[in-house]
Amino acid sequence: AQSVTQLGSHVSVSEGALVLLRCNYSSSVPPYLFWYVQYPNQGLQLLLKYTTGATLVKGINGFEAEFKKSETSFHLTKPSAHMSDAAEYFCAVSASTDSWGKFQFGAGTQVVVTP
Amino acid sequence: DAGVIQSPRHEVTEMGQEVTLRCKPISGHNSLFWYRQTMMRGLELLIYFNNNVPIDDSGMPEDRFSAKMPNASFSTLKIQPSEPRDSAVYFCASSLDGGARNIQYFGAGTRLSVL
Repeated sequence: AQSVTQLGSHVSVSEGALVLLRCNYSSSVPPYLFWYVQYPNQGLQLLLKYTTGATLVKGINGFEAEFKKSETSFHLTKPSAHMSDAAEYFCAVSASTDSWGKFQFGAGTQVVVTP
Repeated sequence: DAGVIQSPRHEVTEMGQEVTLRCKPISGHNSLFWYRQTMMRGLELLIYFNNNVPIDDSGMPEDRFSAKMPNASFSTLKIQPSEPRDSAVYFCASSLDGGARNIQYFGAGTRLSVL
């Protein structure tokens, strides 16, 4: 079974500062990992995903994440926060051995960007 | 290119009434997922369809909930009778073939309030 833990339900960051959202996973098989963003009153949108290959993954809007197997982590970063980054962010994991993609989502991290 | 379309966006009903939520997946996608999002429980997978066939409905909370997918372009989630604890945002998502590495594309959701 897979599970995801997102550290910090709320993160406040100043505009222009580093954004760091933490995600740790548990999986008995090689995982596939995803970060989604949810803006108010909208559905979830994919930011980036890791399946195989390069462990540093770049996504949309300047976000990137690094898969660290030894630390069972997939933290999301952005060098410089913008006001438009205010949203809720979800980390998700699926099992690479599954025949279909049952995603296990984390509880989410709400990001507030202050001027 | 249209994304996943859900209707209605908002639904307010009284306890005991039947509620039907609708979803049109992205054309060409053969996998469809229904999720429920609440503050207390986060994002929960309710049911998954592949090629219009329900594959996993273990997340459906109880017999009051039912879902159908009569064709590749339409699915419904029905609650009968509805209860206040069913109040939540319900999301529909679709993916190309449901594989563990495939991106799930989410609709904007239906916000259900049961009074």
